[in-house]
Amino acid sequence: DAKTTQPTSMDCAEGRAANLPCNHSTISGNEYVYWYRQIHSQGPQYIIHGLKNNETNEMASLIITEDRKSSTLILPHATLRDTAVYYCIVNTGTASKLTFGTGTRLQVTL
Amino acid sequence: DADVTQTPRNRITKTGKRIMLECSQTKGHDRMYWYRQDPGLGLRLIYYSFDVKDINKGEISDGYSVSRQAQAKFSLSLESAIPNQTALYFCATSDLKGGPDDGELFFGEGSRLTVL
Repeated sequence: DAKTTQPTSMDCAEGRAANLPCNHSTISGNEYVYWYRQIHSQGPQYIIHGLKNNETNEMASLIITEDRKSSTLILPHATLRDTAVYYCIVNTGTASKLTFGTGTRLQVTL
Repeated sequence: DADVTQTPRNRITKTGKRIMLECSQTKGHDRMYWYRQDPGLGLRLIYYSFDVKDINKGEISDGYSVSRQAQAKFSLSLESAIPNQTALYFCATSDLKGGPDDGELFFGEGSRLTVL
């Protein structure tokens, strides 16, 4: 699977949009971009995935660049409960090969 | 009730003891996984099972064994626990539909194991 690069940490004010970037310049044509988050020491939670089109669900939006070498997860109105570690993973859809790196620690502040 | 339940949630044990962590799920998924997470690090896959008769080693299986007692139950054992197995352990499940949704894992709340 392609490797990803994420910033170690980010801050966001509550109520503002949180934009979490991810670089995956070696992504293959059949690989999807997945996002998970882990709140404190809870089990990771799936957020969203996409191939090349932008995706939106009740939790977030995923914007993938046209060349697919990078993507951005957007939490449109961040709340304190969105404080978590966010993992960007590139994968073909094989759960046994999902690789959780160190992610981005998002701190939402008042 | 949680869809993926792990027991115990916390356990302190001594070096050399046998420990079993249990996982049960109500999602009806065939695929189950055990991960460990060390402080400040990502998750590493220990073992996974695609069905009751299919068990596979993950990235770090040494020192661990598993048992898939039924579709809904997947246990992780440490035959002789050692201090560097102190970690947070997660069980997860996934479905198999043949598309990208197969990359969606459903995690339990974790089992914190301390080996003294």
